[in-house]
Parts: sequence; C-alpha cells; structure tokens
Amino acid sequence: KAGVTQTPRYLIKTRGQQVTLSCSPISGHRSVSWYQQTPGQGLQFLFEYFSETQRNKGNFPGRFSGRQFSNSRSEMNVSTLELGDSALYLCASSLASRTASTDTQYFGPGTRLTVL
Amino acid sequence: AQSVTQPDIHITVSEGASLELRCNYSYGATPYLFWYVQSPGQGLQLLLKYFSGDTLVQGIKGFEAEFKRSQSSFNLRKPSVHWSDAAEYFCAVKNQAGTALIFGKGTTLSVSS
Repeated sequence: KAGVTQTPRYLIKTRGQQVTLSCSPISGHRSVSWYQQTPGQGLQFLFEYFSETQRNKGNFPGRFSGRQFSNSRSEMNVSTLELGDSALYLCASSLASRTASTDTQYFGPGTRLTVL
Repeated sequence: AQSVTQPDIHITVSEGASLELRCNYSYGATPYLFWYVQSPGQGLQLLLKYFSGDTLVQGIKGFEAEFKRSQSSFNLRKPSVHWSDAAEYFCAVKNQAGTALIFGKGTTLSVSS
C-alpha cells in the first residue's frame, strides 16, 4: 500500500506570496492532519480534517488554511507569506475510526518551504 | 495543559551499546503515546505506540518502550544500537480530542564507531 504523498517536496517563495501544498493520504484513510516543523518551535499541529470538515485547529493565524476533498486528499494554503513561515510542512493520515484517540497517524515526507 | 518533555537534546552512543531515550508526559487521563523517528530530510516514521494493556511495547527495528504511569514516562530502549539508528527521535501524546499529536522537542541520536 502506498504511503502518504506530499507535493511539491521543495518550494521557494518570496514574502507576501501565497502557497498551496498538497497531501494524498494512504488509501482508505479518511483523516488528514497538518504539522509545521521548525528548528525553534519543533513540531506544531496546524489542523485536522475528516470528511471534508475541519475537526481541530492549532494555534496558528488565519493566514494558514486548509481543506479536504471528497477523495480525502487535502491541501493547505498559506497566504501573505512571512520569513517565519519557512519550515517543513508534514501531512499525516489516519483511518479515523470511531475512537479518534487510538488512531495512528502516518506521516508523509513533507514539503520544505523556504520564504525569501 | 498536555505536554511532552524529552530531557535530552542530543545523545551519543557507541555502536553495539544499549540506548535509552527519555520521555515524560503531562496528561490527566489515559495517555495514548507514540515514538517516531526522523532521518535527515525525511518525514516521521512510527516506531511504536501505547494505548493500553501491557506496559512494555515492542516496535520496529528492535525498539521497545515501557509505560510507567507512576513516573509519567514512556522511555524508548534498544539493547544494541546500529549506525543506521542515528536520527532524531520524537515522543508524542494524543491531545484530549484525539485528533492531534503533541510532540516533544526531540532527541538527536549520534552513533559512534
């Protein structure tokens, strides 16, 4: 079974631009979560989607948004990029069983975003 | 608030020696705990998880972890480290809603020959 895929793997943008990252979950997985990883802040949760609905959101500004499609694929968008948005953005998928706590998240390779 | 602490930022172990990476969590209810490993430039790979039951859990690559509720710990161990184990290791706990992982800051493992 194919793992979580993320595109693109690398991205360079300039301040003020916007960017869209894509994530395809493992086949059969219905939940997709996004995380930001930086050297200073570590791994931080952005948001989680299930059945095209955002179920949970981390403490990030409104410039960060996401969506999920009917095939469970997900995109996240960052508008008005800032230098501090440079990070590795990781997507994770899980089955989304009835008990969310026991779902296991499987991660993709990430998208490395550099903002100049 | 829920949190995860990994006290050791960097550990160096000789190849063939045993390894223990420490993890302490803060969580009021039954914790759902995970260890992930990240090689440079890669995503996170799940090593093992604890939900309930036997407090000693086995994972991939010869890793194991022991859940100790009295110490709020979930330490990762391996009896004999290989050079390929050099990576960054993250301990995580599920949040109360069960929809997000709260990660520790990670421990970087170096393996010397």
